[in-house]
Amino acid sequence: EPEVTQTPSHQVTQMGQEVILRCVPISNHLYFYWYRQILGQKVEFLVSFYNNEISEKSEIFDDQFSVERPDGSNFTLKIRSTKLEDSAMYFCASSVTGSHTDTQYFGPGTRLTVL
Amino acid sequence: GQQVMQIPQYQHVQEGEDFTTYCNSSTTLSNIQWYKQRPGGHPVFLIQLVKSGEVKKQKRLTFQFGEAKKNSSLHITATQTTDVGTYFCAGPMGSGNKLVFGAGTILRVKS
Repeated sequence: EPEVTQTPSHQVTQMGQEVILRCVPISNHLYFYWYRQILGQKVEFLVSFYNNEISEKSEIFDDQFSVERPDGSNFTLKIRSTKLEDSAMYFCASSVTGSHTDTQYFGPGTRLTVL
Repeated sequence: GQQVMQIPQYQHVQEGEDFTTYCNSSTTLSNIQWYKQRPGGHPVFLIQLVKSGEVKKQKRLTFQFGEAKKNSSLHITATQTTDVGTYFCAGPMGSGNKLVFGAGTILRVKS
């Protein structure tokens, strides 16, 4: 069964450094999402992306964050200057359509630790 | 803002006992989705409820969607140790189809 994959599984970085988290969505999916989950807390929406544009973003997704689909398979989340509070699990998800009834499939996540 | 509340936060049951988690949205939802997250894992889609008053079953799991499409519940009959994890409800909102998650209910099962 096709799966969303994410790399790396764990990223440790120093505060102020840039990080890029990578995702490969399921191949026939057109809508992509990033969520994050701070340890012990709920999953929070960051951004949705379709047709090379951001569809919607949350208040968390400020100017330090950006997303890109650099080629036909990867979907990346960049954090320009990491802060301690960016430490979290970051999940990529994808869906075939952007319909509210369409299932979003989550990747295994990247654990980001900012020191 | 749009919120999804979920209770209880945590439940510890003896194996064989039942378990229920409740979800309530601040707005009417087009559908509600349930996910399970094992410790250290990622959210895995369980089911989606679309119709008002809908009830769906998956083996020992029973999902309900309220008549007003603002609340939902997940009931597990006769819990097993494999049921351990965090159960999240989530509602799709906004033009970008973002999922707004509840806080989750952590289920621990004592054998």
